[in-house]
Amino acid sequence: NAGVTQTPKFQVLKTGQSMTLQCAQDMNHEYMSWYRQDPGMGLRLIHYSVGAGITDQGEVPNGYNVSRSTTEDFPLRLLSAAPSQTSVYFCASSSPTGNTIYFGEGSWLTVV
Amino acid sequence: SQKIEQNSEALNIQEGKTATLTCNYTNYSPAYLQWYRQDPGRGPVFLLLIRENEKEKRKERLKVTFDTTLKQSLFHITASQPADSATYLCALTMDSNYQLIWGAGTKLIIKP
Repeated sequence: NAGVTQTPKFQVLKTGQSMTLQCAQDMNHEYMSWYRQDPGMGLRLIHYSVGAGITDQGEVPNGYNVSRSTTEDFPLRLLSAAPSQTSVYFCASSSPTGNTIYFGEGSWLTVV
Repeated sequence: SQKIEQNSEALNIQEGKTATLTCNYTNYSPAYLQWYRQDPGRGPVFLLLIRENEKEKRKERLKVTFDTTLKQSLFHITASQPADSATYLCALTMDSNYQLIWGAGTKLIIKP
């Protein structure tokens, strides 16, 4: 049982480049989300989805896009990378009530 | 402003002793509170959930208390072991939208 799988693990981007962080879950969870984690701060919600075809913004959505074409996949797109987007990104999934959240292993992104 | 506070300084505990971590919040009325463990370079892992109408929850050597009057949760690890060394995160869930609001975490170091 793979749980939540994120790729890539590490990525270095130049300012202005775009990229997609992939996320897949095999638990048939309806709720998926993307967080970023920065030193000294709590996890901050970027975007979330309550089911295929439905997405919504979280606390810090600017500069990011998401789509949810299937229950399993929830990719995060950085449109034009900026140094402020240097962070660790976590994808997560849960049942609709969010009682237990399962996280991926994280993607370390550096924008230079 | 609304916020969640966890001790930002690392907590050093001698092996075998009880470790107690604190999570304080203001201006929230959470439906429930969760505790997660995060190891370096890994995603958070769910430990315990306690609801607003519960005072205490236990799981093996772990115990969580939830005082909605004090707006505080305490997380205890009894008979601590070096393997318990990690960062522990607390998160609140509001009943209205099931989104989690995260503390920045407390690093726990158990010394042999």
